[in-house]
Amino acid sequence: KQEVTQIPAALSVPEGENLVLNCSFTDSAIYNLQWFRQDPGKGLTSLLLIQSSQREQTSGRLNASLDKSSGRSTLYIAASQPGDSATYLCAVNTDKLIFGTGTRLQVFP
Amino acid sequence: KAGVTQTPRYLIKTRGQQVTLSCSPISGHRSVSWYQQTPGQGLQFLFEYFSETQRNKGNFPGRFSGRQFSNSRSEMNVSTLELGDSALYLCASSTGTGFRGDTQYFGPGTRLTVL
Repeated sequence: KQEVTQIPAALSVPEGENLVLNCSFTDSAIYNLQWFRQDPGKGLTSLLLIQSSQREQTSGRLNASLDKSSGRSTLYIAASQPGDSATYLCAVNTDKLIFGTGTRLQVFP
Repeated sequence: KAGVTQTPRYLIKTRGQQVTLSCSPISGHRSVSWYQQTPGQGLQFLFEYFSETQRNKGNFPGRFSGRQFSNSRSEMNVSTLELGDSALYLCASSTGTGFRGDTQYFGPGTRLTVL
């Protein structure tokens, strides 16, 4: 059974820091991995999708890597801003999305 | 292009009642998936519809059902509501043609409270 774990569960940092959020999964038989952002009480915003054949994807200050063989993905956020405060979720796609429990990020000025 | 829309945004029901939630996907998207989000269980997959057919189903009781119309709009129904059904219900759409490689785009969700 596929299980997805995210570490840390919560993170509080001052503005300007570079951050690394971790996601691990138990079964490497995935089609892709997607990172999402969720603001309180809101839906999910897709940030990055990495296909199983890819190693990384970049969008602006965000960079996500995927090591399928070791069952790990990281989301790197450069020069964090207060507006980055949200819960970040990773999800692996088998024939459905299986989500991790999320990392709650707070960036303070 | 308009995003995924869900109606209603908030619902309050009592135990034993039934409820219907609606999801309109992004124009051109043919796949709609439903997820339940609770503090205890996190995000869990309910089912996926593609071209009016259920293509995949999660581990939820038969009280949870859905359907998809020819315009790709989807509804999910929960019968005989229980307190534990209180959750944020999220709908996601994708083109569906790439299936396993598609990006999922989520709606804002419907917050269901069961009293």
